[in-house]
Amino acid sequence: NAGVTQTPKFQVLKTGQSMTLQCAQDMNHNSMYWYRQDPGMGLRLIYYSASEGTTDKGEVPNGYNVSRLNKREFSLRLESAAPSQTSVYFCASRRQDLISPLHFGNGTRLTVT
Amino acid sequence: EDQVTQSPEALRLQEGESSSLNCSYTVSGLRGLFWYRQDPGKGPEFLFTLYSAGEEKEKERLKATLTKKESFLHITAPKPEDSATYLCAALRPNDMRFGAGTRLTVKP
Repeated sequence: NAGVTQTPKFQVLKTGQSMTLQCAQDMNHNSMYWYRQDPGMGLRLIYYSASEGTTDKGEVPNGYNVSRLNKREFSLRLESAAPSQTSVYFCASRRQDLISPLHFGNGTRLTVT
Repeated sequence: EDQVTQSPEALRLQEGESSSLNCSYTVSGLRGLFWYRQDPGKGPEFLFTLYSAGEEKEKERLKATLTKKESFLHITAPKPEDSATYLCAALRPNDMRFGAGTRLTVKP
């Protein structure tokens, strides 16, 4: 039972390059999320998808786009990477009922030079 | 604006030395308060959910409590394997707002 799988684990980009972070979950969860984690700032929500076919902005959406490909997969795209996007990115999923916890992947460490 | 604040930022304990971590919150439409443990290089791992003031949950050496403004994670007689970053998070109607975490180090 893999849970939430993120690829790649590490990535180095030059300013202006683009890339897509992949996330897949095998728990049949309806809702999926992308967070970034920076030192001293905690986890901040970038985008989320409450259910298949819907996406919404979170706290820090600028510079990112997302695609909910199907119920299992939710990708995060950086169209033109900036040094300010250097961070650790976490994907998470949860059931759609009101009180279930988030289940996280192990993150993608992204460095933009 | 909704806020979740954790203190202290870092805590160093001797093995067996009990202590508490604090999470204060100001969140509209709070659905629940969550505690997670995060080890270096890993994603957060769920520990507890608390729904209403006065509620308590326990797991091994950890006990979480909730008031209307704060939650505490009490660690009794910690061991070195309890070293990790502990995150609290407030569940709002559409998302979960996290605190910055407390980095706990337990020395043998």
